[in-house]
Amino acid sequence: QQQVKQSPQSLIVQKGGISIINCAYENTAFDYFPWYQQFPGKGPALLIAIRPDVSEKKEGRFTISFNKSAKQFSLHIMDSQPGDSATYFCAASGSSASKIIFGSGTRLSIRP
Amino acid sequence: DAGVIQSPRHEVTEMGQEVTLRCKPISGHDYLFWYRQTMMRGLELLIYFNNNVPIDDSGMPEDRFSAKMPNASFSTLKIQPSEPRDSAVYFCASSLIPYTDTQYFGPGTRLTVL
Repeated sequence: QQQVKQSPQSLIVQKGGISIINCAYENTAFDYFPWYQQFPGKGPALLIAIRPDVSEKKEGRFTISFNKSAKQFSLHIMDSQPGDSATYFCAASGSSASKIIFGSGTRLSIRP
Repeated sequence: DAGVIQSPRHEVTEMGQEVTLRCKPISGHDYLFWYRQTMMRGLELLIYFNNNVPIDDSGMPEDRFSAKMPNASFSTLKIQPSEPRDSAVYFCASSLIPYTDTQYFGPGTRLTVL
């Protein structure tokens, strides 16, 4: 009930391509779904987040797609750039759940 | 604002020694979180504080771990005695709201227990 399953574990994308990372959660009490980006030697930093009242949120080249019935959400990075190379973590949390659970992370490499 | 500040950035110690990690949250943030990151277990929430009071310590692995927040601008995570399996990167994060708002992470402390 408390897991957040993230896939793939690693991903290599050509520059200019679309990077897609998927997550699935179990606890229906979760109502906040952030994505964090982490560069080597740094702490995670919030990239974009979504709440379940919308099915999609876009910020620049980054889009979250959310499927409440399937309990799945995904991160799409359009026109992927070498500077996007990092580890990405999805998370699920909520006040009623009183938890924040992180996915296992995806190491993204963008080839120039 | 300087962001969340953690010290030391790297710590190497021997098994059995006491280790103290330090954190200064962003001013005005009422919530402070301690996380542990390892390859095997990913990012795990250990404990969090609200207004200096520990709210949920269910993630603390065992009694060897303890955390305190004596005031709004300082928190410590202590491991006594340390063991090699405690080797990890420990992050401190702070936020205005606990679970539905941005958490701002510090740079982390890389702990190696020999």
